[in-house]
Amino acid sequence: LAKTTQPISMDSYEGQEVNITCSHNNIATNDYITWYQQFPSQGPRFIIQGYKTKVTNEVASLFIPADRKSSTLSLPRVSLSDTAVYYCLALGEAGSYQLTFGKGTKLSVIP
Amino acid sequence: EPEVTQTPSHQVTQMGQEVILRCVPISNHLYFYWYRQILGQKVEFLVSFYNNEISEKSEIFDDQFSVERPDGSNFTLKIRSTKLEDSAMYFCASRDSSSYNEQFFGPGTRLTVL
Repeated sequence: LAKTTQPISMDSYEGQEVNITCSHNNIATNDYITWYQQFPSQGPRFIIQGYKTKVTNEVASLFIPADRKSSTLSLPRVSLSDTAVYYCLALGEAGSYQLTFGKGTKLSVIP
Repeated sequence: EPEVTQTPSHQVTQMGQEVILRCVPISNHLYFYWYRQILGQKVEFLVSFYNNEISEKSEIFDDQFSVERPDGSNFTLKIRSTKLEDSAMYFCASRDSSSYNEQFFGPGTRLTVL
């Protein structure tokens, strides 16, 4: 499994765009970048996944440069309810059955 | 929207007692998982289950732990003789055959061992 590195914490004001960068220098050819979100006292929730370039859904955008050694999760116009821990994972599409979570990035949205 | 459910939401037990944590995965999912999260720490993988057998298990999942799918809907985690260090939030998750990396997590059971 490729190791991922992301900031421990970030603060943002409501209404701002938040970008969380994840480094994965040793990502394997078959690995996808997958992001999960965890609210306090809840289970993690899948947000978005991508292989390269840009992926967008109703929650977030994911930017992956051509070398795939890093990725950026972008949350547009955050609100207080986006306060959560965000995890970046590098996962093989048909590989390990398990999800290996790091410490994630604790995002605090300030009014 | 279908969701994973878990019962109980909170379980308090005495050290050495057996506990069974219950989960109802999403109905058309075939892959099931248990994770735990000790307060303030990372989410840790315990075990994965497919086709009525364990697919993978971590070092945490020792002989005190077992899983079972007793019927077509429930998926259980049993801890035979609980220890203080088993106190944690236990999450059940499931996924379907096509979404390899998208697991759906339940709300968790908070286990407190006294």
